[in-house]
Amino acid sequence: DIVMTQSPDSLAVSLGERATINCKSSQSVLYSSNNKNYLSWFQQKPGQPPKLLISWSSTRESGVPDRFSGSGSATDFTLTISSLQAEDVAVYYCHQYYTNPRTFGQGTKLEIK
Amino acid sequence: QVQLQESGPGLVKPSETLSLTCTVSGGSIINYYWSWIRQPPGKGLEWIGYIYYSGTTNYNPSLKSRVTISVDTSKNQVSLKLPSVTAADTAVYYCARHEPGGNFHYWGQGTLVTVSS
Repeated sequence: DIVMTQSPDSLAVSLGERATINCKSSQSVLYSSNNKNYLSWFQQKPGQPPKLLISWSSTRESGVPDRFSGSGSATDFTLTISSLQAEDVAVYYCHQYYTNPRTFGQGTKLEIK
Repeated sequence: QVQLQESGPGLVKPSETLSLTCTVSGGSIINYYWSWIRQPPGKGLEWIGYIYYSGTTNYNPSLKSRVTISVDTSKNQVSLKLPSVTAADTAVYYCARHEPGGNFHYWGQGTLVTVSS
């Protein structure tokens, strides 16, 4: 199984400041034949299902604010929120869909400082 | 807009079988993969397995010996069966849709299943 490890486990950031969450996979999730990273980011608020924010490491889903961005390749990835808003308080998960079993990071809890 | 709705008993006794159904509305089951994912209270996400509309399945090896996922295209439903449950199977169970090699774009709201006598 590909193990996904996120850091930090929790993060407190002031409103308007940048938040950065890291995700490391135990093996590459870059598919060489199409040069795509099979890595996505989800946001989960209490009592709600996860919401897909970013696919293919850096492609924002429709309707996701542009303050959310993803970067990275192969085994190291980053989710950045450029200017934290109150509604961004949530748990964030990275997820690899390169191979089965699909696996998720343990989650990063983002709070307001 | 595609909607997924999980349903089933919220309480299951230890050693019994957990049975859940995911009903899809606003779209067809055809040409998509349908996964079950669970989340123990306060914990992270675990992929259980998927079924393609044709019936092809793939299960997480951690649960493979216990899980059965089936599809009923006439009812636009996907089902999950997990026998011999223990307290460790207590979780919110989600169904989710994805394309071949693609991501979980659509999720149900989830249903909490508690295993307790």
